[in-house]
Amino acid sequence: IQLTQSPSSLSASVGDRVTITCRASQGISSFLAWYQQKPGKAPKLLIYAASTLQSGVPSRFSGSGSGTDFTLTISSLQPEDFATYYCQQLNTYPYTFGQGTKLEI
Amino acid sequence: EVRLLESGGGLVQPGGSLRLSCGASGFIFSAYVMAWVRQAPGKGLEWVSSITASGDITYYADSVKGRFTISRDNSKDTLYLQMNSLRAEDTAIFYCAKVFEGYSSGSFVKWFDPWGQGTLVTVSS
Repeated sequence: IQLTQSPSSLSASVGDRVTITCRASQGISSFLAWYQQKPGKAPKLLIYAASTLQSGVPSRFSGSGSGTDFTLTISSLQPEDFATYYCQQLNTYPYTFGQGTKLEI
Repeated sequence: EVRLLESGGGLVQPGGSLRLSCGASGFIFSAYVMAWVRQAPGKGLEWVSSITASGDITYYADSVKGRFTISRDNSKDTLYLQMNSLRAEDTAIFYCAKVFEGYSSGSFVKWFDPWGQGTLVTVSS
């Protein structure tokens, strides 16, 4: 299953609302997770089951979608949100990742 | 606190072998699926392999099938990745991750969390 994220990179400002999309090449139900990765750090789980916020993740992050089309939305960007974001499908092995979206100031 | 600590990375020549380890603490290791994910320099994430809680079933990416072997020792709370016939394109940071596969709020869900800090494998002559 191929995952296509868009855009590949995104420039935004503090306070902006941003949306990243992830499209699967075939249906994956809601077995989709979103991760945030900062330079030199391991990925961090933000959202699982397409729309469930992981404990401790700020509520400005939200996810939606099912089947083949998914979105990650950050309602009001904070300085610490500038990072790279990846989607991952966990419906079928191999558990593929999207190519990533780099969110820049 | 759940912690994962990878070790065993380093410089190896093409065609060589390396064994990575991932020591786990803070959770019942033997109850969870575990996985390896890698990230080539400046590139995205690539799932490499997963192993069931008991170690009886393994899964591999096509890019490593036949060359890498995932295993675990539940008595030592340790996950392994034996890497043989290494190629330059295997150069990457390798992360281990705890995998949750189960029911949460009535729905069957899966996720990778947490991840270790990673260990760098460099394949070069």
